[in-house]
Amino acid sequence: GAGVSQSPSNKVTEKGKDVELRCDPISGHTALYWYRQSLGQGLEFLIYFQGNSAPDKSGLPSDRFSAERTGGSVSTLTIQRTQQEDSAVYLCASSSSYGVSGNTIYFGEGSWLTVV
Amino acid sequence: GQSLEQPSEVTAVEGAIVQINCTYQTSGFYGLSWYQQHDGGAPTFLSYNALDGLEETGRFSSFLSRSDSYGYLLLQELQMKDSASYFCAVYNQGGKLIFGQGTELSVKP
Repeated sequence: GAGVSQSPSNKVTEKGKDVELRCDPISGHTALYWYRQSLGQGLEFLIYFQGNSAPDKSGLPSDRFSAERTGGSVSTLTIQRTQQEDSAVYLCASSSSYGVSGNTIYFGEGSWLTVV
Repeated sequence: GQSLEQPSEVTAVEGAIVQINCTYQTSGFYGLSWYQQHDGGAPTFLSYNALDGLEETGRFSSFLSRSDSYGYLLLQELQMKDSASYFCAVYNQGGKLIFGQGTELSVKP
């Protein structure tokens, strides 16, 4: 597609339920990022995939959070046993490379998660 | 560790010039980026500095001093539509992009 696509755009779930958020990056982009943004706050890094390298999971806040990227393309962020503090916008972004060249990363519109 | 500091909010009037500063601490610095985010929208790329100096793109300019671990975003001829949050972000050695907490810019008539 033309841009980064995320689904669902909005999700309301009950505390304790599991949720899956999907990200479809721009075709050909090797780098994929997940960020979390609470209302009025900054972007909190969660996880980073680059090509076939092992992902950088250093930002995942707890073991309830996991992510995978299949075939170097689509990524799924899974939150198990959701808590109210998980309510936030989950933003996915992709880029063709990092470093000096091809530096721009492109964000999706986000998945707005509300845990009630 | 990695950290970025920027002012939480800035107010300016239409037509004015405003500078948003960013200081950073990171391992293996590879470049400083700036992103703009309007309320309810996705962040969008504004500029990138890998080397010291000033980069100009229309009304926006960005500056980097690697020796001072410091950069800034300069917005000229401010317009009401420039009211948004502005984030600085740094790439570290592993390619991870870390964002600051953002500066909320309010442009007044």
